Amino acid sequence: DQQVKQNSPSLSVQEGRISILNCDYTNSMFDYFLWYKKYPAEGPTFLISISSIKDKNEDGRFTVFLNKSAKHLSLHIVPSQPGDSAVYFCAASDGGGSNYKLTFGKGTLLTVNP
Amino acid sequence: DAGITQSPRHKVTETGTPVTLRCHQTENHRYMYWYRQDPGHGLRLIHYSYGVKDTDKGEVSDGYSVSRSKTEDFLLTLESATSSQTSVYFCAIKGGGGELFFGEGSRLTVL
Repeated sequence: DQQVKQNSPSLSVQEGRISILNCDYTNSMFDYFLWYKKYPAEGPTFLISISSIKDKNEDGRFTVFLNKSAKHLSLHIVPSQPGDSAVYFCAASDGGGSNYKLTFGKGTLLTVNP
Repeated sequence: DAGITQSPRHKVTETGTPVTLRCHQTENHRYMYWYRQDPGHGLRLIHYSYGVKDTDKGEVSDGYSVSRSKTEDFLLTLESATSSQTSVYFCAIKGGGGELFFGEGSRLTVL
C-alpha cells in the first residue's frame, strides 16, 4: 500500500511561470515532510521540508504548503527556471525514534521550457 | 557535500553471483540507509542502520542483507543476484534535522 502518492508522473511549465507539484499521504502518523530534487545520474538532493505543526515553509523560490486535514502537501516554485527541470520526490517521516526513516513517493518529472 | 562515497559506481554481473555495495561516510553519522530507485517506483528503502551492528529491514529487503561493523561503513550484499535487482542503489545518511543526504548512486546490472 503506497503511503506517499505523487499522482502526476510529469509536469511541463513555461519559464517564469509557477510550478505546482502535489503529494498526498495516507499515514496519519507522518509528522515531517520533505521535498527532494533529482537530476539524472546524480543522487537526490534535499530541497525543503515542513513540520506538521506548520502549514507553510518558504525558502527563496520554493514554498511548501501542508494541509493536514486533507493529508496533502504541495511544492510551489516561483518563478520556474530551466535549471529546475528534474524529478521531484515527496517524502514523509513518522518520527520513529531509532527507527527513523523516510517514505518516498514515485516522483514527478518537471520540465521547464525556455 | 555530506561526505558519502559509494563503491562501485557501476557494476555488471551475472545472475546467481554475489554482489556487495559499499557506502562510506566521513562524518560519523549514526543513521545510514540503502534505497533503490526504479522507474515507476521512486525510491524504496531496502535496509537501514541506527548504529554499529544495529540494522533493520525496509519495505523491499528480500534478497538483500546488510552489515555495519563500524560507524563509517554500511555494506549491502546481494547473496545471489537476480535480474529483478538491476537498479540504481543509493546510500544515505541522516543529518542533524530530519533530512537524509544521499550519495551519488551505484548502478547495478544483473544479466
